[in-house]
Amino acid sequence: GENVEQHPSTLSVQEGDSAVIKCTYSDSASNYFPWYKQELGKRPQLIIDIRSNVGEKKDQRIAVTLNKTAKHFSLHITETQPEDSAVYFCAASQSAGKSTFGDGTTLTVKP
Amino acid sequence: DAEITQSPRHKITETGRQVTLACHQTWNHNNMFWYRQDLGHGLRLIHYSYGVQDTNKGEVSDGYSVSRSNTEDLPLTLESAASSQTSVYFCASRQGANTGELFFGEGSRLTVL
Repeated sequence: GENVEQHPSTLSVQEGDSAVIKCTYSDSASNYFPWYKQELGKRPQLIIDIRSNVGEKKDQRIAVTLNKTAKHFSLHITETQPEDSAVYFCAASQSAGKSTFGDGTTLTVKP
Repeated sequence: DAEITQSPRHKITETGRQVTLACHQTWNHNNMFWYRQDLGHGLRLIHYSYGVQDTNKGEVSDGYSVSRSNTEDLPLTLESAASSQTSVYFCASRQGANTGELFFGEGSRLTVL
């Protein structure tokens, strides 16, 4: 089955700096790669996703890049703000099939 | 508004008791999933369903069962609760083919004493 590894497990940045979280996956058949944000005590919510036919996608301060050959994808957050502090999860799946999640990255943005 | 709801939100039970966590969605989604979340392990898939009468085991299915008698509900049953099943449980759903986003319920925190 699919295996997703996520790094780092914790990340601390100063407000205004950039943050990068990386994930690798094992199943070459996976073609959908979402990122979820989970605030303390809340449910995970989708913030951005990318499909295998696209190399990069941006939405304001967040972007995701995908390297299919190397089987890795990354989340980039620019101009970080304290409200970006949360746990971020990457995932991989085949279309609408079951999603396999990484273990999460706890991002702390210091004012 | 359409939504996905879980109940109970918090439950404390004793080892050996049967527990059922309810999940109800009003989006008419075909695909429904149950995950457990433990510190350091992210979200691990317990069981999932792609439609009525369809159920499948995930990576951590031992000790759990589900049933899908209609589109809206996927109850998760712990046949004989164990302390190792103390966790936060999330139900999620998505429409189906060619749609990716998972919509999560608010979670159910289960403590097994």
